[in-house]
Amino acid sequence: GEDVEQSLFLSVREGDSSVINCTYTDSSSTYLYWYKQEPGAGLQLLTYIFSNMDMKQDQRLTVLLNKKDKHLSLRIADTQTGDSAIYFCAEVSGGYQKVTFGTGTKLQVIP
Amino acid sequence: NAGVTQTPKFRILKIGQSMTLQCAQDMNHNYMYWYRQDPGMGLKLIYYSVGAGITDKGEVPNGYNVSRSTTEDFPLRLELAAPSQTSVYFCASSYSQGTYGYTFGSGTRLTVV
Repeated sequence: GEDVEQSLFLSVREGDSSVINCTYTDSSSTYLYWYKQEPGAGLQLLTYIFSNMDMKQDQRLTVLLNKKDKHLSLRIADTQTGDSAIYFCAEVSGGYQKVTFGTGTKLQVIP
Repeated sequence: NAGVTQTPKFRILKIGQSMTLQCAQDMNHNYMYWYRQDPGMGLKLIYYSVGAGITDKGEVPNGYNVSRSTTEDFPLRLELAAPSQTSVYFCASSYSQGTYGYTFGSGTRLTVV
């Protein structure tokens, strides 16, 4: 199908690690992204990974890519209350670089 | 550096009314996009533009129109508002075809009653 799938909700305790998962659709996707949306705001690019990479680390964020299973994950270490937001994965595919967004995962961080 | 600016932030329209959602960017990006965000549905592309004078339809263009007379501005027009157009609208821009991600505006929350 055409949908990029994410679970709708994740709740973690402050200080724990969060893992947000995404299943994308196009095995020829060249770039995959994670965006963060805080309440009342637009989407903010967090990080991206090229399809020829398996992992990318950026401070508290680790992105893992499993191309065989078309699975992308975002791990947030030492999750803080400021990490509470909706997280969207997105893939770039197609001849005109169409970007398809997932449905978003709402992360709730419990103090 | 303002980035992507959208106005208004909120609007209530009556069925059949028209309005224009404004979007401006100051990053000299060629590519601009309009998305709508419905609860639990992710973002759906309405229209996009690859440069001044060039626009094309996205996934859900019905009921909308756009124009791109300058690099900076990409307004979205609703001619006959319908309740199905109640949504949050986001404008975004990118330097290339989105390879390094998009810059989003803060959104316009539109309610049609």
